[in-house]
Amino acid sequence: GAGVSQSPSNKVTEKGKDVELRCDPISGHTALYWYRQSLGQGLEFLIYFQGNSAPDKSGLPSDRFSAERTGGSVSTLTIQRTQQEDSAVYLCASSRRPLGGGEQYFGPGTRLTVT
Amino acid sequence: AQSVTQLDSQVPVFEEAPVELRCNYSSSVSVYLFWYVQYPNQGLQLLLKYLSGSTLVKGINGFEAEFNKSQTSFHLRKPSVHISDTAEYFCAVRTDSGGGADGLTFGKGTHLIIQP
Repeated sequence: GAGVSQSPSNKVTEKGKDVELRCDPISGHTALYWYRQSLGQGLEFLIYFQGNSAPDKSGLPSDRFSAERTGGSVSTLTIQRTQQEDSAVYLCASSRRPLGGGEQYFGPGTRLTVT
Repeated sequence: AQSVTQLDSQVPVFEEAPVELRCNYSSSVSVYLFWYVQYPNQGLQLLLKYLSGSTLVKGINGFEAEFNKSQTSFHLRKPSVHISDTAEYFCAVRTDSGGGADGLTFGKGTHLIIQP
């Protein structure tokens, strides 16, 4: 079956612009995760959704970052007023169940470059 | 909070030689442990995981890992590597805090370089 898909695969934007990154999880997966992969910070967990709800948003780097999920499926990560330090690969993952050792399946990522 | 340490940022190994990639973790509660592999320009793929039970876990592509609670380690091993194993390997932990809101905590990664 189809895996986790993300779009766009690459995004180049000017500093100060807003960007939207999209994640389409595996059908039937109730849990969805966003991570950021950068040279300086490695892989960081950003936010988690169970259904449409995000119980804890404290992992988001700043208030310029927001995320939503609708219909228990597609999620968008929005970065407002982008800064150069936002340049990274943004990874999305989904799992059938959120707790414990539920395997997370990762998408290919969106490479964001802020110029 | 938990943390993961991968001491080796880069490990060069000759083809067909054995390899061990080290991972140590820190957590005040029980954890689930994972190894992921990332091939160039690709997403993360799960190699293996430890949830409970036998401390020796076998994964895909001939990899295995052993959970050692007393040493808080989860080292990854392969008896004979191939050129195709060249990739970045990430160790990760996750706790089950009850709320399910914890994502994976990753180590910095180890770049495995296979030399012919």
